[in-house]
Amino acid sequence: AQSVTQPDIHITVSEGASLELRCNYSYGATPYLFWYVQSPGQGLQLLLKYFSGDTLVQGIKGFEAEFKRSQSSFNLRKPSVHWSDAAEYFCAVGNNAGNMLTFGGGTRLMVKP
Amino acid sequence: KAGVTQTPRYLIKTRGQQVTLSCSPISGHRSVSWYQQTPGQGLQFLFEYFSETQRNKGNFPGRFSGRQFSNSRSEMNVSTLELGDSALYLCASSLGTGGDGETQYFGPGTRLLVL
Repeated sequence: AQSVTQPDIHITVSEGASLELRCNYSYGATPYLFWYVQSPGQGLQLLLKYFSGDTLVQGIKGFEAEFKRSQSSFNLRKPSVHWSDAAEYFCAVGNNAGNMLTFGGGTRLMVKP
Repeated sequence: KAGVTQTPRYLIKTRGQQVTLSCSPISGHRSVSWYQQTPGQGLQFLFEYFSETQRNKGNFPGRFSGRQFSNSRSEMNVSTLELGDSALYLCASSLGTGGDGETQYFGPGTRLLVL
């Protein structure tokens, strides 16, 4: 069965600092991987996705993520965090057809001024 | 292009009642998936419909059901509501064509409170 672990429940960074959110997955085949962001009381917004090809993927809002098969990881990064990035971030893996997502527990990001 | 819409946005029900939630996918999307989000269990997959057929089902009791119409709009129904059904219910749509076509785009959710 597929699973996703986000080891950090909460992360606090200063505005302008760099950010890395960790995501580890368990899946037997080549995974479909996603990062979503959720602001309070809102739905999920897709930040980026990996299906195949280049292991470094670029997303919206200046985010990027790197797929590392050897480490079963898909960490999300941003070089300089803005106060508006404060939200909860979810990593997800899709099943072999890609139409059923398994989510990690989420990482809540707080940004200090 | 309009995004995924869900109605109603908020709902209050009492134990034992039933509820129906509605989801309109992005135009051209034929797959609709439903997820439940709670503080304790996080985001959990309920089911997915494609061309009016249930293609995938999560591990939820039979009280949770859904359907999809010919215009791809979907409804989910919860019968005999329990306090633990209080949650944010999220709907997502995708093209349903495999690979990148399975990328799911989420609606704003329906927040259900069961008293």
